[in-house]
Amino acid sequence: DTGVSQNPRHKITKRGQNVTFRCDPISEHNRLYWYRQTLGQGPEFLTYFQNEAQLEKSRLLSDRFSAERPKGSFSTLEIQRTEQGDSAMYLCASSLVGQGRYGYTFGSGTRLTVV
Amino acid sequence: AQSVTQLDSQVPVFEEAPVELRCNYSSSVSVYLFWYVQYPNQGLQLLLKYLSGSTLVKGINGFEAEFNKSQTSFHLRKPSVHISDTAEYFCAVTFILTGGGNKLTFGTGTQLKVEL
Repeated sequence: DTGVSQNPRHKITKRGQNVTFRCDPISEHNRLYWYRQTLGQGPEFLTYFQNEAQLEKSRLLSDRFSAERPKGSFSTLEIQRTEQGDSAMYLCASSLVGQGRYGYTFGSGTRLTVV
Repeated sequence: AQSVTQLDSQVPVFEEAPVELRCNYSSSVSVYLFWYVQYPNQGLQLLLKYLSGSTLVKGINGFEAEFNKSQTSFHLRKPSVHISDTAEYFCAVTFILTGGGNKLTFGTGTQLKVEL
């Protein structure tokens, strides 16, 4: 068990470009969460999956954002036509069904800088 | 709606001194409460959690927190801090999502800076 893995750790992109991040949860965890953390703030919920089904999306997740978990294992978060306001740390977390109330396991995050 | 307020954005403290990081929450339902720690350029690590039962909960690295329902508080304490405790600390409350998942609502964080 290597924990929750996120790639890349850092991404610098020009405004208007598309970016994709990947999250590999703990192997047996069937719930996967995405959060965004901007400078000086706590993380904010974006979306979550149970297996391959995306069950809830925050209003923070604009039409430019899309997340997938095609086989119920790893997940990707894509941002299209990036804007400077998208600069943030994107965190992924996972848990077992029924265990999330005990706290998730977070990955180390992907830090996005839009220039 | 649920919310979390961390009253101090920064707390400087000398090594081996005690520290308290304050957290207040608001919720219309029973809650689960958490403290997470974040080291620079890292994800969040769970320090401790309150689910039910004893209001004093102990976590990793010598930290403890007390749940106070009447004051809607969940303050984090450590009797003697170490340089390695320098980090950002986040208080969080959980909310049940559609489908049964758990959404964490975080406070804005408290930067603990331990000085020699």
